Amino acid sequence: NAGVTQTPKFRVLKTGQSMTLLCAQDMNHEYMYWYRQDPGMGLRLIHYSVGEGTTAKGEVPDGYNVSRLKKQNFLLGLESAAPSQTSVYFCASSAGGEQYFGPGTRLTVT
Amino acid sequence: QQPVQSPQAVILREGEDAVINCSSSKALYSVHWYRQKHGEAPVFLMILLKGGEQKGHEKISASFNEKKQQSSLYLTASQLSYSGTYFCGTLGANTGTASKLTFGTGTRLQVTL
Repeated sequence: NAGVTQTPKFRVLKTGQSMTLLCAQDMNHEYMYWYRQDPGMGLRLIHYSVGEGTTAKGEVPDGYNVSRLKKQNFLLGLESAAPSQTSVYFCASSAGGEQYFGPGTRLTVT
Repeated sequence: QQPVQSPQAVILREGEDAVINCSSSKALYSVHWYRQKHGEAPVFLMILLKGGEQKGHEKISASFNEKKQQSSLYLTASQLSYSGTYFCGTLGANTGTASKLTFGTGTRLQVTL
């Protein structure tokens, strides 16, 4: 089992560009989450999903969109990247208790 | 609102003990603890449910006082492998079924020889 995987691992964007981060899990979990981690801020929830076809806003959703067309995949999109979105992005999945995290994507917006 | 963790950082010699606290301003259903090593993803340590329970994991244990809306993580006889940043994640009493955690800002623990 691969657990939770994220692609890409690193990305550099210019302001205004768009991109999609992909998260995949093979544990048949219903719940999936996207977090961003900034120095001194801990993990902050961007969006989450409680099942295929559902999404909901977290603490810091502005500037991001998500989709969960398949149970195993959770996509995070940035339509027009801004320097404030420079961060490490973690995806996680859960069956309702422990959350399993992916390895992270380091995104830099210049 | 993020739970407050204290201390923000602590340096220990191998074999010493440490306590990390997590305090919330809202009623809690459960508290999760995770450890993150530098450059890696957070890894689950334990969950504590309301009811004042205490759990253990190797030489790491934790308690949860739902009345005080606080949890503490106890690391005894620390090892070099315990170094990392510890996060508590809280689940509010009225969060519903989403298991949507709110994480603290972390406590950086460094164990030295």
